[in-house]
Amino acid sequence: GAVVSQHPSWVICKSGTSVKIECRSLDFQATTMFWYRQFPKQSLMLMATSNEGSKATYEQGVEKDKFLINHASLTLSTLTVTSAHPEDSSFYICSAGGYGTEAFFGQGTRLTVV
Amino acid sequence: GESVGLHLPTLSVQEGDNSIINCAYSNSASDYFIWYKQESGKGPQFIIDIRSNMDKRQGQRVTVLLNKTVKHLSLQIAATQPGDSAVYFCAENIGGTSYGKLTFGQGTILTVHP
Repeated sequence: GAVVSQHPSWVICKSGTSVKIECRSLDFQATTMFWYRQFPKQSLMLMATSNEGSKATYEQGVEKDKFLINHASLTLSTLTVTSAHPEDSSFYICSAGGYGTEAFFGQGTRLTVV
Repeated sequence: GESVGLHLPTLSVQEGDNSIINCAYSNSASDYFIWYKQESGKGPQFIIDIRSNMDKRQGQRVTVLLNKTVKHLSLQIAATQPGDSAVYFCAENIGGTSYGKLTFGQGTILTVHP
Protein backbone atom coordinates (compact mmCIF):
# COMPACT_ATOMS: atom_id res chain seq x y z
CA GLY A 1 0.00 0.00 0.00
CA ALA A 2 0.88 3.65 -0.21
CA VAL A 3 3.04 5.23 2.48
CA VAL A 4 2.13 8.22 4.58
CA SER A 5 4.78 9.57 6.90
CA GLN A 6 4.38 11.90 9.86
CA HIS A 7 7.06 13.92 11.58
CA PRO A 8 7.84 14.09 14.38
CA SER A 9 6.70 10.83 15.99
CA TRP A 10 6.58 12.53 19.34
CA VAL A 11 7.12 16.03 20.66
CA ILE A 12 7.12 17.69 24.05
CA CYS A 13 6.56 21.42 24.20
CA LYS A 14 6.01 24.09 26.78
CA SER A 15 2.60 25.55 27.36
CA GLY A 16 2.04 28.61 25.18
CA THR A 17 4.36 27.56 22.38
CA SER A 18 3.40 26.32 18.91
CA VAL A 19 4.15 22.96 17.40
CA LYS A 20 4.14 21.94 13.74
CA ILE A 21 3.40 18.39 12.62
CA GLU A 22 4.11 17.29 9.07
CA CYS A 23 2.24 14.70 7.03
CA ARG A 24 3.78 13.52 3.80
CA SER A 25 2.56 11.14 1.13
CA LEU A 26 5.77 9.45 0.02
CA ASP A 27 4.84 7.64 -3.16
CA PHE A 28 1.65 9.27 -4.38
CA GLN A 29 0.07 12.67 -4.68
CA ALA A 30 -2.72 13.60 -2.31
CA THR A 31 -5.00 16.49 -3.08
CA THR A 32 -6.82 15.78 0.15
CA MET A 33 -5.46 14.78 3.52
CA PHE A 34 -7.25 14.38 6.80
CA TRP A 35 -6.22 15.15 10.37
CA TYR A 36 -7.49 13.16 13.31
CA ARG A 37 -6.98 13.44 17.05
CA GLN A 38 -7.06 10.58 19.49
CA PHE A 39 -7.09 10.89 23.27
CA PRO A 40 -5.96 7.91 25.39
CA LYS A 41 -8.36 4.99 25.38
CA GLN A 42 -10.61 6.76 22.91
CA SER A 43 -11.36 6.54 19.22
CA LEU A 44 -10.08 8.74 16.43
CA MET A 45 -11.96 11.96 15.88
CA LEU A 46 -11.78 13.80 12.58
CA MET A 47 -10.50 17.33 13.07
CA ALA A 48 -10.27 18.71 9.57
CA THR A 49 -9.94 18.04 5.86
CA SER A 50 -6.82 19.49 4.33
CA ASN A 51 -7.21 20.57 0.72
CA GLU A 52 -4.22 21.24 -1.51
CA GLY A 53 -4.14 24.85 -2.58
CA SER A 54 -7.17 25.93 -0.61
CA LYS A 55 -8.43 26.40 2.91
CA ALA A 56 -8.94 23.45 5.20
CA THR A 57 -12.42 22.39 6.23
CA TYR A 58 -12.80 22.02 9.98
CA GLU A 59 -15.19 19.78 11.85
CA GLN A 60 -17.64 21.29 14.28
CA GLY A 61 -16.01 22.25 17.53
CA VAL A 62 -12.45 22.39 16.18
CA GLU A 63 -10.89 25.83 16.43
CA LYS A 64 -9.40 26.77 13.09
CA ASP A 65 -7.26 29.52 14.60
CA LYS A 66 -5.75 27.09 17.06
CA PHE A 67 -5.14 24.22 14.66
CA LEU A 68 -3.65 25.78 11.55
CA ILE A 69 -3.53 23.56 8.50
CA ASN A 70 -1.46 24.22 5.41
CA HIS A 71 -1.51 21.97 2.35
CA ALA A 72 0.92 23.74 0.07
CA SER A 73 1.86 20.81 -2.14
CA LEU A 74 0.40 17.53 -3.31
CA THR A 75 2.61 15.58 -0.92
CA LEU A 76 2.67 17.68 2.24
CA SER A 77 0.14 18.89 4.76
CA THR A 78 1.11 20.51 8.04
CA LEU A 79 -0.85 20.93 11.25
CA THR A 80 0.32 23.65 13.62
CA VAL A 81 -1.01 23.62 17.15
CA THR A 82 -0.76 27.24 18.22
CA SER A 83 -0.40 28.40 21.82
CA ALA A 84 -0.52 24.81 22.97
CA HIS A 85 -1.93 23.96 26.38
CA PRO A 86 -1.88 20.71 28.35
CA GLU A 87 -5.39 19.85 27.18
CA ASP A 88 -4.04 19.76 23.61
CA SER A 89 -1.85 16.81 24.56
CA SER A 90 -3.02 14.00 22.33
CA PHE A 91 -2.12 11.64 19.51
CA TYR A 92 -2.49 13.38 16.15
CA ILE A 93 -2.83 11.21 13.06
CA CYS A 94 -3.07 12.14 9.41
CA SER A 95 -4.35 10.16 6.48
CA ALA A 96 -4.16 10.59 2.72
CA GLY A 97 -5.45 9.07 -0.44
CA GLY A 98 -8.72 7.26 -0.54
CA TYR A 99 -10.31 8.03 -3.87
CA GLY A 100 -11.82 4.67 -4.68
CA THR A 101 -9.44 2.95 -2.29
CA GLU A 102 -8.83 2.91 1.38
CA ALA A 103 -7.14 5.84 3.07
CA PHE A 104 -3.58 5.40 4.29
CA PHE A 105 -2.64 6.57 7.74
CA GLY A 106 0.54 8.00 9.10
CA GLN A 107 2.15 6.56 12.18
CA GLY A 108 0.87 9.36 14.37
CA THR A 109 2.47 12.11 16.45
CA ARG A 110 2.31 12.05 20.23
CA LEU A 111 2.11 15.65 21.50
CA THR A 112 2.71 16.34 25.17
CA VAL A 113 2.33 19.90 26.40
CA VAL A 114 3.93 20.62 29.77
CA GLY B 1 -11.11 16.87 25.90
CA GLU B 2 -10.32 13.53 27.43
CA SER B 3 -13.12 11.64 29.12
CA VAL B 4 -11.92 10.28 32.44
CA GLY B 5 -12.81 6.69 33.08
CA LEU B 6 -13.82 5.81 29.54
CA HIS B 7 -13.23 2.14 28.86
CA LEU B 8 -13.18 0.43 25.51
CA PRO B 9 -14.96 -2.93 25.17
CA THR B 10 -12.56 -5.82 25.54
CA LEU B 11 -12.38 -9.30 24.08
CA SER B 12 -10.02 -11.94 25.44
CA VAL B 13 -9.44 -15.15 23.52
CA GLN B 14 -7.03 -18.05 23.51
CA GLU B 15 -4.55 -18.46 20.73
CA GLY B 16 -6.09 -20.48 17.92
CA ASP B 17 -9.65 -19.51 18.73
CA ASN B 18 -11.80 -17.49 16.36
CA SER B 19 -12.58 -13.88 17.34
CA ILE B 20 -15.63 -11.84 16.48
CA ILE B 21 -15.60 -8.09 16.97
CA ASN B 22 -18.80 -6.14 16.51
CA CYS B 23 -19.54 -2.57 15.56
CA ALA B 24 -22.67 -0.49 15.09
CA TYR B 25 -22.58 2.41 12.67
CA SER B 26 -24.78 5.45 12.61
CA ASN B 27 -25.42 6.63 9.07
CA SER B 28 -27.68 4.53 6.89
CA ALA B 29 -26.34 6.39 3.85
CA SER B 30 -22.74 5.29 4.43
CA ASP B 31 -21.48 3.32 1.46
CA TYR B 32 -18.05 2.13 2.49
CA PHE B 33 -16.77 0.57 5.68
CA ILE B 34 -13.33 -0.36 6.88
CA TRP B 35 -11.82 -2.26 9.76
CA TYR B 36 -8.56 -1.01 11.20
CA LYS B 37 -6.10 -2.48 13.66
CA GLN B 38 -4.21 -0.11 15.91
CA GLU B 39 -1.24 -1.16 17.99
CA SER B 40 -0.10 0.97 20.89
CA GLY B 41 1.50 4.23 19.79
CA LYS B 42 0.90 3.60 16.10
CA GLY B 43 -1.50 4.77 13.43
CA PRO B 44 -4.40 2.62 12.23
CA GLN B 45 -3.53 -0.25 9.94
CA PHE B 46 -5.98 -1.29 7.22
CA ILE B 47 -7.38 -4.79 7.64
CA ILE B 48 -10.32 -5.17 5.28
CA ASP B 49 -13.04 -3.09 3.70
CA ILE B 50 -16.52 -3.63 2.34
CA ARG B 51 -18.84 -1.61 0.20
CA SER B 52 -22.52 -1.26 0.92
CA ASN B 53 -23.55 -3.39 -2.07
CA MET B 54 -21.99 -6.43 -0.38
CA ASP B 55 -22.83 -8.25 2.83
CA LYS B 56 -19.69 -10.32 3.20
CA ARG B 57 -16.07 -10.07 2.21
CA GLN B 58 -13.19 -12.36 3.02
CA GLY B 59 -9.52 -11.76 3.32
CA GLN B 60 -6.65 -13.71 4.71
CA ARG B 61 -7.91 -15.05 8.07
CA VAL B 62 -10.43 -12.21 8.27
CA THR B 63 -14.04 -11.86 7.22
CA VAL B 64 -16.21 -8.78 7.40
CA LEU B 65 -19.98 -9.03 7.55
CA LEU B 66 -22.28 -6.10 6.88
CA ASN B 67 -25.92 -5.98 7.93
CA LYS B 68 -27.39 -2.78 6.59
CA THR B 69 -30.81 -3.49 8.03
CA VAL B 70 -29.56 -3.06 11.58
CA LYS B 71 -26.49 -0.99 10.69
CA HIS B 72 -24.06 -3.54 12.03
CA LEU B 73 -20.59 -4.64 11.05
CA SER B 74 -18.56 -7.53 12.35
CA LEU B 75 -14.98 -8.62 11.93
CA GLN B 76 -14.17 -12.28 12.25
CA ILE B 77 -10.58 -13.32 12.77
CA ALA B 78 -9.83 -17.00 12.28
CA ALA B 79 -7.19 -18.82 14.29
CA THR B 80 -6.37 -15.74 16.33
CA GLN B 81 -2.68 -15.26 17.11
CA PRO B 82 -0.90 -13.27 19.83
CA GLY B 83 0.18 -10.80 17.16
CA ASP B 84 -3.47 -9.98 16.59
CA SER B 85 -3.65 -8.34 20.03
CA ALA B 86 -4.49 -4.69 19.41
CA VAL B 87 -7.39 -2.25 19.36
CA TYR B 88 -9.77 -2.76 16.45
CA PHE B 89 -11.87 0.04 15.02
CA CYS B 90 -14.58 0.01 12.44
CA ALA B 91 -14.94 3.14 10.35
CA GLU B 92 -17.59 4.40 7.97
CA ASN B 93 -16.99 6.66 5.04
CA ILE B 94 -18.71 10.01 5.31
CA GLY B 95 -16.87 11.74 2.50
CA GLY B 96 -18.71 10.56 -0.59
CA THR B 97 -16.16 9.59 -3.23
CA SER B 98 -13.28 10.56 -0.98
CA TYR B 99 -12.77 7.50 1.14
CA GLY B 100 -10.49 9.17 3.62
CA LYS B 101 -13.12 11.11 5.55
CA LEU B 102 -14.13 8.61 8.17
CA THR B 103 -16.17 8.31 11.31
CA PHE B 104 -14.63 5.76 13.65
CA GLY B 105 -16.41 3.47 16.06
CA GLN B 106 -15.38 3.35 19.70
CA GLY B 107 -12.97 0.45 19.28
CA THR B 108 -12.51 -2.96 20.88
CA ILE B 109 -9.41 -4.16 22.70
CA LEU B 110 -8.51 -7.68 21.60
CA THR B 111 -6.18 -9.65 23.84
CA VAL B 112 -4.94 -13.02 22.67
CA HIS B 113 -3.51 -15.33 25.30
CA PRO B 114 -0.88 -17.89 24.26
